[in-house]
Amino acid sequence: QKEVEQDPGPLSVPEGAIVSLNCTYSNSAFQYFMWYRQYSRKGPELLMYTYSSGNKEDGRFTAQVDKSSKYISLFIRDSQPSDSATYLCAMRRSGGSYIPTFGRGTSLIVHP
Amino acid sequence: EAEVAQSPRYKITEKSQAVAFWCDPISGHATLYWYRQILGQGPELLVQFQDESVVDDSQLPKDRFSAERLKGVDSTLKIQPAELGDSAMYLCASSFGGPGQKNTEAFFGQGTRLTVV
Repeated sequence: QKEVEQDPGPLSVPEGAIVSLNCTYSNSAFQYFMWYRQYSRKGPELLMYTYSSGNKEDGRFTAQVDKSSKYISLFIRDSQPSDSATYLCAMRRSGGSYIPTFGRGTSLIVHP
Repeated sequence: EAEVAQSPRYKITEKSQAVAFWCDPISGHATLYWYRQILGQGPELLVQFQDESVVDDSQLPKDRFSAERLKGVDSTLKIQPAELGDSAMYLCASSFGGPGQKNTEAFFGQGTRLTVV
């Protein structure tokens, strides 16, 4: 079993829908949680970053962390065709070499 | 806006040949990572540098892969000889901080897509 599990999708939604993307993890030592967006043939772009449990909002994006369930989510409100990309979750411990562990990514398609 | 620069963007090479990738991190970023991303998978770490020193290369196939960051700034990743299974996207990332510090989130370059034929 991988440390970070993420459904690869694809997830197809109509424009304007609320999108929910999720990851589960097994390592309780993870303290920092990130979401990256990756367009086709491009490098990942850091989208959201949260520490420990709780919510963080940035425009149309909300990141949620539930450490008790080892479950993190990214919500996208009013989704746009330009949001079509692969969304990678990543997480790491608070000590050591700070190397983030990535999920395999979820492919999101927002159709007009 | 500062970016991680990588070159080349695309590389096609024959198996058993040598290939090299170059990365210039964001200015001031002490930590540099090389990741490999197979299509449909998340990035997997190959090597991490803190300045010019290797912090973690436990996942680097050392029989054919090598990485260096001689002056603690730009870095080169080499594969010799290349194998068909090495076809992937090679991503470089950098972060401001390192072990024991804050602001350690990684910013990625555009990657080098390697195809071995």
